[in-house]
Amino acid sequence: LAKTTQPISMDSYEGQEVNITCSHNNIATNDYITWYQQFPSQGPRFIIQGYKTKVTNEVASLFIPADRKSSTLSLPRVSLSDTAVYYCLVGGPNSGNTGKLIFGQGTTLQVKP
Amino acid sequence: DVKVTQSSRYLVKRTGEKVFLECVQDMDHENMFWYRQDPGLGLRLIYFSYDVKMKEKGDIPEGYSVSREKKERFSLILESASTNQTSMYLCASSGLAESTDTQYFGPGTRLTVL
Repeated sequence: LAKTTQPISMDSYEGQEVNITCSHNNIATNDYITWYQQFPSQGPRFIIQGYKTKVTNEVASLFIPADRKSSTLSLPRVSLSDTAVYYCLVGGPNSGNTGKLIFGQGTTLQVKP
Repeated sequence: DVKVTQSSRYLVKRTGEKVFLECVQDMDHENMFWYRQDPGLGLRLIYFSYDVKMKEKGDIPEGYSVSREKKERFSLILESASTNQTSMYLCASSGLAESTDTQYFGPGTRLTVL
């Protein structure tokens, strides 16, 4: 399973765009990249998933370069409520259904007023 | 909207007690999971189940057992609780019919073993 590396923590201010980069140098050909968000005292919540190029939904964008060895989660105009831990996960199709997801330590994002 | 519920948000037990943690999901998902989350260690998979009465060991099954008698319910059992099982326990479910293999998590149970 591909190992991921992401910053332990990041600070930002309300209204700014936040980019969190995750490295996954040994990603396999059929691996997907998935990001989860976890608020204090809650379980993680799926944000976005992608395989290559760019994916966008109502919450975030995910940028994946051609070599797929890294990915960047982009949160537009963050607010205080975006303060959370963000996890980058890499796994093959159906990893979520087969217990193969690996949650690392994640990136703790602190949004300040 | 998927809902995963856990029987307790907070639980305090004594060493040696038998502890049951219950999880229920309402989306007819085939797969259910139990994790524990500890500071600095991330989420670690204890057990998962892909069908009724089926179970698979995760990364840290020692000291735990599970039961899945009905599709919507997955129970985690600590046969004889120990202080090193003090942790946040998270249940999750996922369904084969979903467009992605998203896992939906419950709110967690913070267990303290004294």
